[in-house]
Amino acid sequence: TQLLEQSPQFLSIQEGENLTVYCNSSSVFSSLQWYRQEPGEGPVLLVTVVTGGEVKKLKRLTFQFGDARKDSSLHITAAQPGDTGLYLCAGGADKLIFGTGTRLQVFP
Amino acid sequence: NAGVTQTPKFQVLKTGQSMTLQCAQDMNHEYMSWYRQDPGMGLRLIHYSVGAGITDQGEVPNGYNVSRSTTEDFPLRLLSAAPSQTSVYFCASSSRFGQLLSYNSPLHFGNGTRLTVT
Repeated sequence: TQLLEQSPQFLSIQEGENLTVYCNSSSVFSSLQWYRQEPGEGPVLLVTVVTGGEVKKLKRLTFQFGDARKDSSLHITAAQPGDTGLYLCAGGADKLIFGTGTRLQVFP
Repeated sequence: NAGVTQTPKFQVLKTGQSMTLQCAQDMNHEYMSWYRQDPGMGLRLIHYSVGAGITDQGEVPNGYNVSRSTTEDFPLRLLSAAPSQTSVYFCASSSRFGQLLSYNSPLHFGNGTRLTVT
């Protein structure tokens, strides 16, 4: 059974701070996706990482896929209140399994 | 651009009642799935389907049934509701590449059904 553990579970920071969210597994994944979910809505895809060691940037968000393709991280630079939400990693080949989630709150 | 449509948006059931959560997509996606999300938690996979006539169990299938008679529809049935099934249910769909989910295609989610079982 593939499991994805995310840390931290909760993160509460001030606007302008940097943060990193981690997604770890004991299994190898062919690719990992990161989603963001806002209250009352379904998750929305942010990025997909495919190659071990790959780094992708989306404005102030930087995503990295571990060399062994068992882990991934999301780094946010200079967080803003609009970054508030639930961040989820997900992976799988024939079915998509989601991580436990990191709830981020950014205060002005 | 309807995408994934879930009905109803809200539902209250009494213990032991049955109901069907509806899910329809208009993107011709082969892969469809149902997740439940409990307060403050991530998504757990209930059942999924890789095409019409094919369904399989996810992480938490007990108490739920599914069928996939058409590409567009993937209903989720609760045969005898229990308070432990109080949750928000999300349906999602995606395209596939051969036997695998296409890593270039995101999972498209509906807006969820909030179910309360008393």
